[in-house]
Amino acid sequence: NAGVTQTPKFRVLKTGQSMTLLCAQDMNHEYMYWYRQDPGMGLRLIHYSVGEGTTAKGEVPDGYNVSRLKKQNFLLGLESAAPSQTSVYFCASRTIGTSQYEQYFGPGTRLTVT
Amino acid sequence: RKEVEQDPGPFNVPEGATVAFNCTYSNSASQSFFWYRQDCRKEPKLLMSVYSSGNEDGRFTAQLNRASQYISLLIRDSKLSDSATYLCIISNFGNEKLTFGTGTRLTIIP
Repeated sequence: NAGVTQTPKFRVLKTGQSMTLLCAQDMNHEYMYWYRQDPGMGLRLIHYSVGEGTTAKGEVPDGYNVSRLKKQNFLLGLESAAPSQTSVYFCASRTIGTSQYEQYFGPGTRLTVT
Repeated sequence: RKEVEQDPGPFNVPEGATVAFNCTYSNSASQSFFWYRQDCRKEPKLLMSVYSSGNEDGRFTAQLNRASQYISLLIRDSKLSDSATYLCIISNFGNEKLTFGTGTRLTIIP
């Protein structure tokens, strides 16, 4: 049971380049999330999905797009990377249930945009 | 006022001591409360959920005070391995999103 995995672990981009971050979970969770974490800012929600084929904006969605074509995968895209998108990106998932709000996080992707 | 506020620290505490920190929240409708632990450059991991009656897990005790809208985490007999950032996380019933505090950094000193 791998839990939540993220690909890649590290990436360096030049301004204007594009890339896709992949998040995969094998726990059959309905909800999936993308966060970014910057020093002193805590975790901020970029986009999230409550099920296959559905996505919604979070707190800081600008400059990012997402897709959830399969229940187990949640992709985060940067169409034209900017230095302000240098951050650590965490994916998370959780199941549905009145008490099951625990989120399981992936190991993170460290992205640097130069 | 931020939805969730934590003292960022750092808290520098000698090994074996007891340390406690709080997290305040602004939404009185908040229903679910958690403490997560995050080690340097790692992902957050659930430390414990916080229940209305308070709960204990070994050296860790979590409390919820709804009247004053805060949760607390107490660590007894602190170990070097307790050094980490502790995140307070809150959710409202029926809300699929969680709200994160910025974390409290704890360093246990030998």
